[in-house]
Amino acid sequence: DAKTTQPNSMESNEEEPVHLPCNHSTISGTDYIHWYRQLPSQGPEYVIHGLTSNVNNRMASLAIAEDRKSSTLILHRATLRDAAVYYCILRDPHSGGYQKVTFGTGTKLQVIP
Amino acid sequence: DGGITQSPKYLFRKEGQNVTLSCEQNLNHDAMYWYRQDPGQGLRLIYYSQIVNDFQKGDIAEGYSVSREKKESFPLTVTSAQKNPTAFYLCASSIGQTNSYEQYFGPGTRLTVT
Repeated sequence: DAKTTQPNSMESNEEEPVHLPCNHSTISGTDYIHWYRQLPSQGPEYVIHGLTSNVNNRMASLAIAEDRKSSTLILHRATLRDAAVYYCILRDPHSGGYQKVTFGTGTKLQVIP
Repeated sequence: DGGITQSPKYLFRKEGQNVTLSCEQNLNHDAMYWYRQDPGQGLRLIYYSQIVNDFQKGDIAEGYSVSREKKESFPLTVTSAQKNPTAFYLCASSIGQTNSYEQYFGPGTRLTVT
């Protein structure tokens, strides 16, 4: 299974941009890169996903390296409500059956007022 | 509002008792999942179901059982055979059976067994 590597924790000042990195050097050509986040004592919520091109939505932007071996989740202006654990996972829509995706330990983002 | 509900939010049981955690979704999703999360850990898949009346074991199914008699419901029973049942349990669903769809998670049930 393709794996991802993320830093255990990061800090950001409020209202500043945050760049959360994810390495996935064994990514296959059909793996999509998904990001979820989990606020304290809540279930994870979907943030964004992409395949090759950079993606933007109301929550964040996803920048994908040209060789797809890494990606970066960008929060343009961090707020206190963005303090959460951010998970980067890979999913292949063309794999047979359900792909047992592992949510690792993610990156714990602390936002400093 | 559409979404996933899990009840109760907190659950306490004595060791040796079976306990059933509820998960209901009104999103009309085909696939549903149960995860377990321990403090400071990621999520681990217990069971998943891609369609009514069918379910498959995940990575840590021992000591757990599920049923999927209705599309909107996927209850999880934690049996007395589960050695360390105290954990945060998360239910999720997704539109289809492929892996391109995002999963929607419920608020979780924190189970404490003493």
